[in-house]
Amino acid sequence: AQSVTQLGSHVSVSEGALVLLRCNYSSSVPPYLFWYVQYPNQGLQLLLKYTTGATLVKGINGFEAEFKKSETSFHLTKPSAHMSDAAEYFCAVSEGSNDYKLSFGAGTTVTVRA
Amino acid sequence: NAGVTQTPKFQVLKTGQSMTLQCAQDMNHEYMSWYRQDPGMGLRLIHYSVGAGITDQGEVPNGYNVSRSTTEDFPLRLLSAAPSQTSVYFCASGGTGETYGYTFGSGTRLTVV
Repeated sequence: AQSVTQLGSHVSVSEGALVLLRCNYSSSVPPYLFWYVQYPNQGLQLLLKYTTGATLVKGINGFEAEFKKSETSFHLTKPSAHMSDAAEYFCAVSEGSNDYKLSFGAGTTVTVRA
Repeated sequence: NAGVTQTPKFQVLKTGQSMTLQCAQDMNHEYMSWYRQDPGMGLRLIHYSVGAGITDQGEVPNGYNVSRSTTEDFPLRLLSAAPSQTSVYFCASGGTGETYGYTFGSGTRLTVV
């Protein structure tokens, strides 16, 4: 069984500053990893995903994440925060291409200060 | 292209009532699932389906039933609503291969009083 831990339920950053959201996972097989964003009263939108291949994954809205197997981590970063990045972010893991049972972290709420 | 459509968007039920949350997708995805979202707990899997006629339980299946008679539709039934089922419910459908990954609906906010 897989599980996800997101460090920090709330993160506050200044506009223009680095955004760093931490995600650690456990999985008994090579994982597929995801970051989703949820804006208020909306569904989840896929930011990026890692399945196989290059460990640095680029997503939408300037976000990227790096899969580090040795650290069982998949941290999400964005070099320069924008006010529109204020949202809740979820890290999720599945156990590969034949497993569609996503396990989600508890989420991290990002606020952006002007 | 509508993606994943959930109805209704909001619902208030009395304890003991039953209802069906509807979910439809137009992407010809084989995989569909239902999640519930509660504050501080992320999303938890209720039931999922890997194709028409095939369903299975997720992490929190008690009090819910599903069926999958067509590829497009995956309704979630609450048998006898309880206050503990107050939550936001999301339906998702998933593609394979290069399109692997779920597309989520916009959610149904359910309150049980």
